[in-house]
Amino acid sequence: TQLLEQSPQFLSIQEGENLTVYCNSSSVFSSLQWYRQEPGEGPVLLVTVVTGGEVKKLKRLTFQFGDARKDSSLHITAAQPGDTGLYLCAGDPPETSGSRLTFGEGTQLTVNP
Amino acid sequence: DTGVSQNPRHKITKRGQNVTFRCDPISEHNRLYWYRQTLGQGPEFLTYFQNEAQLEKSRLLSDRFSAERPKGSFSTLEIQRTEQGDSAMYLCASSPRDRSYEQYFGPGTRLTVT
Repeated sequence: TQLLEQSPQFLSIQEGENLTVYCNSSSVFSSLQWYRQEPGEGPVLLVTVVTGGEVKKLKRLTFQFGDARKDSSLHITAAQPGDTGLYLCAGDPPETSGSRLTFGEGTQLTVNP
Repeated sequence: DTGVSQNPRHKITKRGQNVTFRCDPISEHNRLYWYRQTLGQGPEFLTYFQNEAQLEKSRLLSDRFSAERPKGSFSTLEIQRTEQGDSAMYLCASSPRDRSYEQYFGPGTRLTVT
C-alpha cells in the first residue's frame, strides 16, 4: 500500500505570510494532484503534476513535483483568508494508473485576517 | 458546464435500514469513482467504473455495499443494513478518457447512521 504523508497537519498563519505544505512518499507516482476542500463539500482540483521536477503556478500558489516523483510541495505566497481550507495531495500509483487515487490526510490551513 | 452532482446531499438513517445515493458525472467523462471520507482523513477509494463496467473494488467495499452504472452515465451506491460505522461522507468523482488521473469530485453525500 502506497502512503502519502502530508505535513504539517495543521497550520494557522496571519494574512500576508508565506507558507509551504509538503507531501511525501517512499513510492513513485505517475502523477500527483492537489485539491482544496471546504467543510461539507467535495475536494476541488487545483493542479496536476506529471513530470519529475515539474513546477506549476496558479496565481499565488506554486506546486512542485519532486525529481523522483515521490514527493511534492505547495507554496502559497501572501496568504489570504480565502485560502483557508483543507489541502489534500493525491497520487496516482503506476500499477493502478488511472484508477484509484491515494490521498494524504490533508493539511488544515487557517489564514487569520 | 455542469460539474459532478450527487443526491441527496445529506441522509440520516437508522441502523439496519438501506440507503441509496446517486451520482451524475460530467457528461463527457467515461470513468466514475466512489470514495468514502471520514472526519480528519483523506478520501479512501471504494470502486470505479469505466463506462458501465465496474473494473475495481476496494476491500473496504463489504458485501453490504453495491454500486451500479447501468448505462454508463449516472451511478448509484447502495448500502444495505447500515451500521453506525458507515457514517461518513460519500464522494463521487469522474475523469476524462485521456487524463483519467484528473478526478473531479462532486459535493458528496453526508450519511449519518443513528
